[in-house]
Amino acid sequence: GAGVSQTPSNKVTEKGKYVELRCDPISGHTALYWYRQSLGQGPEFLIYFQGTGAADDSGLPNDRFFAVRPEGSVSTLKIQRTERGDSAVYLCASSPTGGLAKNIQYFGAGTRLSVL
Amino acid sequence: DAKTTQPTSMDCAEGRAANLPCNHSTISGNEYVYWYRQIHSQGPQYIIHGLKNNETNEMASLIITEDRKSSTLILPHATLRDTAVYYCIAWINFGNEKLTFGTGTRLTIIP
Repeated sequence: GAGVSQTPSNKVTEKGKYVELRCDPISGHTALYWYRQSLGQGPEFLIYFQGTGAADDSGLPNDRFFAVRPEGSVSTLKIQRTERGDSAVYLCASSPTGGLAKNIQYFGAGTRLSVL
Repeated sequence: DAKTTQPTSMDCAEGRAANLPCNHSTISGNEYVYWYRQIHSQGPQYIIHGLKNNETNEMASLIITEDRKSSTLILPHATLRDTAVYYCIAWINFGNEKLTFGTGTRLTIIP
């Protein structure tokens, strides 16, 4: 079946612009996660949704970052007033549910964001 | 989540077993050991996880020491497609859904 889909695969923007990154999770998965990965580093957690609500947004670096999941499926990560330091690969993952000891997260290929 | 320590890089000859070590000396009794890998330009991929007992699936085997302070991921017959960064993560869900990745081990399979 289809895996986690992220669009666009690459996004180039200018400093100060607004960007939206989209994630289509695996059908039926209620848990959705966003991570950010800088070059040479492992992914870093940003936010976790259980259904429509953000259950944990402790990883969002500042208030320029916001994410939504209005219908409990597709999620959009929104970044306002982008800065060069926001350049990274943004990864989305989903899992069948949260709250379990067994937490297998299925990742998309990511969106590579470049802020010029 | 307990901190994990992995070698930065390793090489393995194609067709041989690749043994990737991980130290997690501060792991708590109910934390699982998870392994993910990330092939170039892809997202991380789940491999295997375990608590106390050794585990095996179609991808790999996981050997956890009796004191649970370290573990080894074994790829029994490495192929070129196994070249990737391998992440060892100690994790338990006590209202904490996030995975904490370190920098992992970059495994290169040599033809």
